[in-house]
Amino acid sequence: DTAVSQTPKYLVTQMGNDKSIKCEQNLGHDTMYWYKQDSKKFLKIMFSYNNKELIINETVPNRFSPKSPDKAHLNLHINSLELGDSAVYFCATRGVTTGELFFGEGSRLTVL
Amino acid sequence: AQSVTQLGSHVSVSEGALVLLRCNYSSSVPPYLFWYVQYPNQGLQLLLKYTTGATLVKGINGFEAEFKKSETSFHLTKPSAHMSDAAEYFCAVSDQGGGFKTIFGAGTRLFVKA
Repeated sequence: DTAVSQTPKYLVTQMGNDKSIKCEQNLGHDTMYWYKQDSKKFLKIMFSYNNKELIINETVPNRFSPKSPDKAHLNLHINSLELGDSAVYFCATRGVTTGELFFGEGSRLTVL
Repeated sequence: AQSVTQLGSHVSVSEGALVLLRCNYSSSVPPYLFWYVQYPNQGLQLLLKYTTGATLVKGINGFEAEFKKSETSFHLTKPSAHMSDAAEYFCAVSDQGGGFKTIFGAGTRLFVKA
């Protein structure tokens, strides 16, 4: 039973399209994140939700809109996709006491 | 603001040799420090963490790291490299106050030669 699961694992789409990535966790953690990993493997935090409330929004273009319907889910919707959006997007949750992050396996987005 | 610098984007060692991956951090508050490993096409998983207490921390797969406050370093070591250690390694920092933001270094790719 996967602790942090993301769907889909792969998306290939055209510029200008809209796409969504879903994340679900069964760890009972309050805090969830979206990270973007570029082709050079650099990991950049995008958003964080704590108990359904947005607490971190790191200068991400407003084409990106996160949504947390409940504590166990955090989705990412991207409008008007651009070539530069091609990356691997990771969902993660945060352990309460030590701040350890638990990652999903990633969703690789390719924009053509 | 916090930041992490990993020295060396690529490190190559022979099987059986010492692994040393360097990490320096900057933090205005006492940090929590982490090393994560990423295998190809997978998410990151925790190798080890420093929160408080003993400055030498041991992790999975024989790795360990030492927190040196005076040097603002948290280098990762393993006495004897194994082929299966080949992966991307990330050093990360967050603050002890329960800060919600974890900042990652740029990563170091470890190659292990037979």
